[in-house]
Amino acid sequence: GQNIDQPTEMTATEGAIVQINCTYQTSGFNGLFWYQQHAGEAPTFLSYNVLDGLEEKGRFSSFLSRSKGYSYLLLKELQMKDSASYLCAVKDSNYQLIWGAGTKLIIKP
Amino acid sequence: GAVVSQHPSWVICKSGTSVKIECRSLDFQATTMFWYRQFPKQSLMLMATSNEGSKATYEQGVEKDKFLINHASLTLSTLTVTSAHPEDSSFYICSASALAGDSYEQYFGPGTRLTVT
Repeated sequence: GQNIDQPTEMTATEGAIVQINCTYQTSGFNGLFWYQQHAGEAPTFLSYNVLDGLEEKGRFSSFLSRSKGYSYLLLKELQMKDSASYLCAVKDSNYQLIWGAGTKLIIKP
Repeated sequence: GAVVSQHPSWVICKSGTSVKIECRSLDFQATTMFWYRQFPKQSLMLMATSNEGSKATYEQGVEKDKFLINHASLTLSTLTVTSAHPEDSSFYICSASALAGDSYEQYFGPGTRLTVT
């Protein structure tokens, strides 16, 4: 079956750096997405990786290793507003998005 | 750019009634629209995928006669929950897909919280 794993919850301190990992096993691969979802709101797009390597976008970076079925989202200079769930999603061979359960990130002052 | 709206943002209805939720892409033409359901503290669950002018493709376990999807144009899709029951209470989110570079990114609407009493 298809499977995406990410930690259920992580805690970090304001101003620090946190890395959220995602491993996947899917039938085919056509890209990996990271979304941010605040409680009670819809997800918002953060990043997209289809080739191996690091994609940097401001305080957020996303890394992909297709051979390892692994990605991470790196958040720097954490702010209280970064408290949210972070969803990893992989597009499979049918171009269907397979979603992880999300990682709830708690930021403490 | 790439804004998706949903209406209503929340709705309370009585058991047995039907509720229609609209999803609109405001500044782009969406080749495909998706409907998701999300229960508290759970991940998104894809219900169906629809392309303009054709019948929606429903995920396994989703009743197509209960969750009616109409994709009338490249900017509008509707989800009608027919004969709603309390167990249908959930957060319903639509997304619209448009080509961006070499990827079809999904842009999400703000969601509709449905409570069935």
